[in-house]
Amino acid sequence: GAGVSQTPSNKVTEKGKYVELRCDPISGHTALYWYRQSLGQGPEFLIYFQGTGAADDSGLPNDRFFAVRPEGSVSTLKIQRTERGDSAVYLCASSSGRREGNYNEQFFGPGTRLTVL
Amino acid sequence: AQSVTQLGSHVSVSEGALVLLRCNYSSSVPPYLFWYVQYPNQGLQLLLKYTTGATLVKGINGFEAEFKKSETSFHLTKPSAHMSDAAEYFCAVSVGAAGNKLTFGGGTRVLVKP
Repeated sequence: GAGVSQTPSNKVTEKGKYVELRCDPISGHTALYWYRQSLGQGPEFLIYFQGTGAADDSGLPNDRFFAVRPEGSVSTLKIQRTERGDSAVYLCASSSGRREGNYNEQFFGPGTRLTVL
Repeated sequence: AQSVTQLGSHVSVSEGALVLLRCNYSSSVPPYLFWYVQYPNQGLQLLLKYTTGATLVKGINGFEAEFKKSETSFHLTKPSAHMSDAAEYFCAVSVGAAGNKLTFGGGTRVLVKP
């Protein structure tokens, strides 16, 4: 079946512009996560949705970052007034509501590479 | 809060040699531990995970890892490296009560020499 998809795969923008990154989770997955992977580093957690609501947004670096999931499926990560330091690969993951050993495996998308010039 | 440390950002091994990637974690509650692999321009793929039960876990592609609570370690091994193992490997920790968000180490890039 289809995995997690993310669009666009690459996004180049200018400093100060607004960008939106989209994530389509695996069908039926209720949990959705955003991570950011800067060059040479491991992914860092940004935000977690359970259904339509943001259950944990403690990883968002500042108020320029915002994410929505209005219908509990597709999610959009929005970045305002982009800065060069926002350049990174933004990863999305989803997981099902079924429990396996009290852990729901996360399935990752290929990421969106954001470059801020 | 939990954290992960991967010792060695780059590891070079000969084809057929043992692969050993080191991971130490810090967590105030019993952790769930993972190893992910990332091939160039691809997403993260789960290699193996420890949640409960047997501390020696086997994953895909011949990899295995052992959870050692006393050492707070979860090192990844493979007896014989293959050229296709060249990739970046990430160790990660999660605590169930935190919505299962993952905290990753900095990654180890593996180079396999013929």
